Amino acid sequence: NAGVTQTPKFRVLKTGQSMTLLCAQDMNHEYMYWYRQDPGMGLRLIHYSVGEGTTAKGEVPDGYNVSRLKKQNFLLGLESAAPSQTSVYFCASSFGVGWSYEQYFGPGTRLTVT
Amino acid sequence: RKEVEQDPGPFNVPEGATVAFNCTYSNSASQSFFWYRQDCRKEPKLLMSVYSSGNEDGRFTAQLNRASQYISLLIRDSKLSDSATYLCVLPGGSQGNLIFGKGTKLSVKP
Repeated sequence: NAGVTQTPKFRVLKTGQSMTLLCAQDMNHEYMYWYRQDPGMGLRLIHYSVGEGTTAKGEVPDGYNVSRLKKQNFLLGLESAAPSQTSVYFCASSFGVGWSYEQYFGPGTRLTVT
Repeated sequence: RKEVEQDPGPFNVPEGATVAFNCTYSNSASQSFFWYRQDCRKEPKLLMSVYSSGNEDGRFTAQLNRASQYISLLIRDSKLSDSATYLCVLPGGSQGNLIFGKGTKLSVKP
């Protein structure tokens, strides 16, 4: 049982390049989330999914797209990377919502855009 | 007031000390919250989840004061291994996302 995994762990992109971050969970969770964490700021929600085939925008969705074609995977895409997207990206998943449901986080992807 | 506000610290304490962190929130309807712990360059991990007034787990006590809209975390008998950033977290909207404070950094010294 690996929990939540993310690939890649590190990446350096040039402005304008594209990439996809992969999140996978083996806990059969319905809910999946993408957050970004920047220095001096709390984690902020980018996009989320409440089930296979569904996605929705979070607090800071601009410049990102997502897809959830399989229940266990949640992909985050950057079509044209910008320096403002330099950040640490965390994926999370949970079985349900509310105070009794823990969100499990992946180890993060450190992305630098030059 | 921002949704969740925390004192960023750092809090530097000696081993064995008792330390308390506070967190204020803006949504007066909140009845539950979480404390997550984040080690340097690692992912956040759940420390405690609390519904209603509070919760205690060993050396850790979390309390919610709804009238004043603040949340506290008390750590007794601090250990070196308690050094981390502690995130005050509230459940968000119906989509289930979490609303994170910026975190309070704790450093426990020998």
